[in-house]
Amino acid sequence: DGGITQSPKYLFRKEGQNVTLSCEQNLNHDAMYWYRQDPGQGLRLIYYSQIVNDFQKGDIAEGYSVSREKKESFPLTVTSAQKNPTAFYLCASTSSGRAYNEQFFGPGTRLTVL
Amino acid sequence: SQQGEEDPQALSIQEGENATMNCSYKTSINNLQWYRQNSGRGLVHLILIRSNEREKHSGRLRVTLDTSKKSSSLLITASRAADTASYFCATDARSSNTGKLIFGQGTTLQVKP
Repeated sequence: DGGITQSPKYLFRKEGQNVTLSCEQNLNHDAMYWYRQDPGQGLRLIYYSQIVNDFQKGDIAEGYSVSREKKESFPLTVTSAQKNPTAFYLCASTSSGRAYNEQFFGPGTRLTVL
Repeated sequence: SQQGEEDPQALSIQEGENATMNCSYKTSINNLQWYRQNSGRGLVHLILIRSNEREKHSGRLRVTLDTSKKSSSLLITASRAADTASYFCATDARSSNTGKLIFGQGTTLQVKP
């Protein structure tokens, strides 16, 4: 099956810990995105990557870091610098080119700070 | 910067009725997309309408786009209980060449059986 997988589904973090959220896609998409969703809100862009070994900050990048060493993978690290990390995190990918099309989303990771 | 604003924030209807959701945006766009999110899940793409299109249909979905008013509407006809979800519009700004989408805050639709 083609698609995007995220793991884990639920993640609990203690204060001061860094945690890494996994995102993998087998759709052969060049572009990948990380979003944060708070209760009752829309999605806000954290980081995005249009190509391997390159990524850009989105609207709320502070306290987060990413890497893009492989086309299939775009892990997100939530660092201790992120003061309010409890949220639902969604990863997405899209084919790129002259015209971007729809984004395909993973099932999400719900992060809770204890 | 918030690009899409959706209206209403919440909508409750009976099964079989039509549901209409509206989205407004601020800058010129390449395309506008609608997504659905079931509670606690990822988003599912419903339909994409390009800036040079005015109307698009997909099954029970009808989307319109008015670029002069910078607005779009999503109509779900003959709604079903399974349509209960949150619906988001998302825009791809014309000034951007990154595929970045800016999402509205969504409309929560409840369809009562």
